[in-house]
Amino acid sequence: TQLLEQSPQFLSIQEGENLTVYCNSSSVFSSLQWYRQEPGEGPVLLVTVVTGGEVKKLKRLTFQFGDARKDSSLHITAAQPGDTGLYLCAGASSYGGATNKLIFGTGTLLAVQP
Amino acid sequence: AAGVIQSPRHLIKEKRETATLKCYPIPRHDTVYWYQQGPGQDPQFLISFYEKMQSDKGSIPDRFSAQQFSDYHSELNMSSLELGDSALYFCASSLDWQAPTGELFFGEGSRLTVL
Repeated sequence: TQLLEQSPQFLSIQEGENLTVYCNSSSVFSSLQWYRQEPGEGPVLLVTVVTGGEVKKLKRLTFQFGDARKDSSLHITAAQPGDTGLYLCAGASSYGGATNKLIFGTGTLLAVQP
Repeated sequence: AAGVIQSPRHLIKEKRETATLKCYPIPRHDTVYWYQQGPGQDPQFLISFYEKMQSDKGSIPDRFSAQQFSDYHSELNMSSLELGDSALYFCASSLDWQAPTGELFFGEGSRLTVL
């Protein structure tokens, strides 16, 4: 069974601080996505990383895929209250085809205090 | 842009009753996924359909069934409801050949409460 562990599970920080969320697995994934979920809403895709060692930036968010494609990190610079939410990493074990079943991580609940 | 539409958004049922959730994928998306998310839990994969055929099965109870219709919408049928079935049920869709890296687009979810 493929598992994705995220850390920390909960994070409460002040506006302007930096933070890093980690997503780790013993399994190799063909790609890894990061989603952000608001309470009672569906996850919204932030980014997809595919190549080992890949780094992608989305405004103040920096995503990195581990060299071995088993882990990933999300770094937020100068966090803002609007960044508050549940951050989920999700790994895809298929290289396409009929199923792109995602295995979700355990989630990191971020609260940014003004 | 059109998104994944789920209905109903909220549903309250009694134990042992039956519930049906509907999902309308993004137009031209050929793959539909159902996920269940319990309180404080990450989404758990239930089942998926590609071109109206079941393509993968996850932790879906035998009391649940699903299908994808000719217009690509999907329905999740849940019978003999139990208290533990209370959760957010998400539908997601993708256009398989354009999303080989696994991106899914999620609906806003249907919240099922079993009393």
